[in-house]
Order: sequence, then structure tokens, then C-alpha cells
Amino acid sequence: DTAVSQTPKYLVTQMGNDKSIKCEQNLGHDTMYWYKQDSKKFLKIMFSYNNKELIINETVPNRFSPKSPDKAHLNLHINSLELGDSAVYFCASSQDPLLGPGNQPQHFGDGTRLSIL
Amino acid sequence: EDKVVQSPLSLVVHEGDTVTLNCSYEVTNFRSLLWYKQEKKAPTFLFMLTSSGIEKKSGRLSSILDKKELFSILNITATQTGDSAVYLCAVEGAGNKLTFGGGTRVLVKP
Repeated sequence: DTAVSQTPKYLVTQMGNDKSIKCEQNLGHDTMYWYKQDSKKFLKIMFSYNNKELIINETVPNRFSPKSPDKAHLNLHINSLELGDSAVYFCASSQDPLLGPGNQPQHFGDGTRLSIL
Repeated sequence: EDKVVQSPLSLVVHEGDTVTLNCSYEVTNFRSLLWYKQEKKAPTFLFMLTSSGIEKKSGRLSSILDKKELFSILNITATQTGDSAVYLCAVEGAGNKLTFGGGTRVLVKP
């Protein structure tokens, strides 16, 4: 009954490959996010989607492409992987922020540790 | 650009001690400030603060926000080894965008 689930938990691959990470939430939330946590533990927002529409798109290389087939899923596809992509990627979800500030904390998945060889 | 700074970077205490973690921020269109606890995996939600001066409590943890001075503190009293974790402060700006601080690593020794 995990609220926000990501697969895979670990991903080890070589430079230049293309890979995808999947995220699903069963909380009935409208908004989903992708974060990157680097080796220094900084969590940085990459994207957010609200009801399948892109809301936040930080300065992320074009090699990263999020896809939201429905509001319960937000997948992350990465092309031409580079060494600097090694990190833990977290998916999160929350209620619609337009409902008002301060009422919708984001809930996080367990993360996907991506290692590039 | 929104900015969140946490201090100290890390601290080591013994069981039963009290710890105070600090979070200062600069953000446009402030909506809320959140505290999360991160052990090995997902950050888990602790508190969300929107109003100055109102303390939120959950067991041995409490937090308060000062919107005039732009900071928040998280207190943990009577610490236990299970409190060992990285504590993350995040500020919610426009569009529900969260900007995280670098975290404070707390180690509670028996």
C-alpha cells in the first residue's frame, strides 16, 4: 500500500545509454514532481506536472524528458546518460497547489539510485 | 533565486539531549516552510508552517516560524538514537515549488 512508488530502486548503466524511471502514486494527488539529490544531499526540483500538464521545468538538460500518461503516473526518461547524471532521483506528489498555500505537503517515494559507469 | 540555508551542517549529541536546528530563507511569493526527516530513503514529512509565531508540536519535536526574520527552528527534546537522520528544511514558493536547504545531519549516540 505504498503511497508513492518508484521503479527501479537501483539502476546501474553505462554512459550513453537511455533509461527510464517510473513513478506511481495512489494518494489521489493532482500534482507530481521529480527531484534530483546529488552526493552532497541537496534535493533540487527538476519538473512538476499538474493533471498531466507541465508546471515547473527547471534548467534541466533536454536529455531529460518527463512523461505523464495520467495524473497518477509521472515517468522520467533520460537519453544519452552522462557521468554527472549519477544521483538519487526522487518522485513526489501533492494535492493541487492552487487549492491554497500550506495545505498540501509533498510526499516522497523511496528514490531511484542511478549510477553511471 | 530562492535560497534556503540550514545550520549547523551536522551535530553529534547523546541520548536525552535537546537539539535545535536552524533554517533561514529567501524566497519570492512565500507560501509555506516545511521540515522533513530523511533516514535512508524517502524524506518523510514532519511539519508545515505558514504563520509566524505559532508553534507546531508532534511528540518530542516542535517547530516555529518567524516570517519577519525569515527563519524557522526545529527542536527535538529528549533525543533518542532513532532521531538520527538528516533533517531537511524546504520553502514553498510560487507554483508549489520546493527549494530545499542542504540539510542538518544529526547523530544521536547512546
